[in-house]
Amino acid sequence: QKEVEQNSGPLSVPEGAIASLNCTYSDRGSQSFFWYRQYSGKSPELIMFIYSNGDKEDGRFTAQLNKASQYVSLLIRDSQPSDSATYLCAVTHSSASKIIFGSGTRLSIRP
Amino acid sequence: DAMVIQNPRYQVTQFGKPVTLSCSQTLNHNVMYWYQQKSSQAPKLLFHYYDKDFNNEADTPDNFQSRRPNTSFCFLDIRSPGLGDAAMYLCATSRGASGDSEQYFGPGTRLTVT
Repeated sequence: QKEVEQNSGPLSVPEGAIASLNCTYSDRGSQSFFWYRQYSGKSPELIMFIYSNGDKEDGRFTAQLNKASQYVSLLIRDSQPSDSATYLCAVTHSSASKIIFGSGTRLSIRP
Repeated sequence: DAMVIQNPRYQVTQFGKPVTLSCSQTLNHNVMYWYQQKSSQAPKLLFHYYDKDFNNEADTPDNFQSRRPNTSFCFLDIRSPGLGDAAMYLCATSRGASGDSEQYFGPGTRLTVT
């Protein structure tokens, strides 16, 4: 079992709709959760982080965390073509100074 | 203003010819990381420095070495590049080593091995 699992996609969403990206992790001790966006040929860009159960909103982005289910998600409202990218989920453990990345979900927003 | 800078952005080297990639940061972060990322794969952590303390991942080949002469700079040395080492190399920094410290990435260096 991979430490951080994501559906590789591609996930195709019409422009203006809500895109929902999901991630599960195996380490119950994980404390911090990150979502990175990566355009093709570019480096990952941090877009959201969440530490507590529940929802965290930032503009069109909402991160949702459920530690009991070991599940974290990212919702993108009013999807735009510029949101088309690979979204990497990353998880860390409080005792470690490193984060584990999932292999990413490729999101495509169709006009 | 760029906060994590990587040079060069593109590097072509010959099979077996040593190559050095560089990373610098203006964030004054304590931790610097080197990742290798191949197409459609997750970034793979090679090693990281917490200040001057070097932490190597167990599965990082001996062919990969790193130096951090000061807070701002960190280098990745590939002693004898093989064709399988062609990848994007990403440098990242974080303020602290605890789990709640976000990592910020440089633009990456695309390495080609001929």
